[in-house]
Amino acid sequence: AQKITQTQPGMFVQEKEAVTLDCTYDTSDPSYGLFWYKQPSSGEMIFLIYQGSYDQQNATEGRYSLNFQKARKSANLVISASQLGDSAMYFCAMREVAGAYKYIFGTGTRLKVLA
Amino acid sequence: DGGITQSPKYLFRKEGQNVTLSCEQNLNHDAMYWYRQDPGQGLRLIYYSQIVNDFQKGDIAEGYSVSREKKESFPLTVTSAQKNPTAFYLCASSMAGALGPSGNTIYFGEGSWLTVV
Repeated sequence: AQKITQTQPGMFVQEKEAVTLDCTYDTSDPSYGLFWYKQPSSGEMIFLIYQGSYDQQNATEGRYSLNFQKARKSANLVISASQLGDSAMYFCAMREVAGAYKYIFGTGTRLKVLA
Repeated sequence: DGGITQSPKYLFRKEGQNVTLSCEQNLNHDAMYWYRQDPGQGLRLIYYSQIVNDFQKGDIAEGYSVSREKKESFPLTVTSAQKNPTAFYLCASSMAGALGPSGNTIYFGEGSWLTVV
């Protein structure tokens, strides 16, 4: 069954340093998409980055990069040069191609950036 | 600007009342979704719709109902049968079909806070 696991309930990082948020997934579908979202205290879900299962290169979007290790079924988010505004909840999500159009979310990691 | 609009932002419900949360999108997306989020928790799927006049139950559909009469609109009704409705509700939409170059990214509204009083 489709499943997303985020094992870090909370993380701290010093301002201007890099941080990695872990995400592992489980699927039997060879074609799938992986997403990361940021949720600040206001509640809105902000799309950060996408990785397709057949993409040859790791996705990057500004200070965000996705460390995609297909064999390990992991899709970790790397935030470089952390800023105070990065403090938020971060969710990993997956959608399979086959079956219903469902997006499954992990339980999230709360990141706190320290000045 | 294109986006997803949810209303109201805050809603209070008395015991035994039905309430309806509005969700409108102008992204021309075929698929729409409702998620529930409890404090400190992840998102759980309530209902989703791939096309007008069709919708499917998600993982926690009991006590909720939806309609999809227009492509742009996907209202959620929280019925009196939902025993613990206090939560944050997120509406979302995406392109349907196979994953495109952008993965058919799912986009969210700003959410609605529902509290039972």
